[in-house]
Amino acid sequence: DAKTTQPTSMDCAEGRAANLPCNHSTISGNEYVYWYRQIHSQGPQYIIHGLKNNETNEMASLIITEDRKSSTLILPHATLRDTAVYYCIVRPLRTNAGKSTFGDGTTLTVKP
Amino acid sequence: NAGVTQTPKFRILKIGQSMTLQCAQDMNHNYMYWYRQDPGMGLKLIYYSVGAGITDKGEVPNGYNVSRSTTEDFPLRLELAAPSQTSVYFCASSLGQGESGNTIYFGEGSWLTVV
Repeated sequence: DAKTTQPTSMDCAEGRAANLPCNHSTISGNEYVYWYRQIHSQGPQYIIHGLKNNETNEMASLIITEDRKSSTLILPHATLRDTAVYYCIVRPLRTNAGKSTFGDGTTLTVKP
Repeated sequence: NAGVTQTPKFRILKIGQSMTLQCAQDMNHNYMYWYRQDPGMGLKLIYYSVGAGITDKGEVPNGYNVSRSTTEDFPLRLELAAPSQTSVYFCASSLGQGESGNTIYFGEGSWLTVV
């Protein structure tokens, strides 16, 4: 599975858009980009995934660059409850379950 | 539909004791996983299973055992508990096939302290 690089931490003002970057320069053509988040003391939660087209759901938007080497998770109007660790993971559709690993993620702090 | 259910939520063990963390999912998922997360650290994969009767080691399997006798259940056994096993344990599952097959669903965690 392709390796991902994320900033260790980011801050965002409440009500503003939070833009979380992820670099995955070695991504393969059949690999999807997944985003999860983990709010303190809770189990990680799936947010969104995409292959090459931009995706949007009720939680967030995912923007993938044309060359697919990087992506950005956008929380359009961040709230204090969005403070969490955000994980970017790259994985093919048919994955080796043993490679279902998570990196260290980005700690997003939303400030009032 | 309860998702992934873990028990117990909290447990204190003495060094050398053994215990089993229970995990059940009701989504008919093929894949199940056990992760541990030490304070301030990321998730580490302990064991995983791709179906009933099939299990394999992840990144940090030492000191643990698992079994998968049914699709629904994936218990994690700690033998001879050590302080280094103090951690939060997360059970998870995924369908394992189809476009949504890689979406992993997590339980709420089990906090284990070994003293």
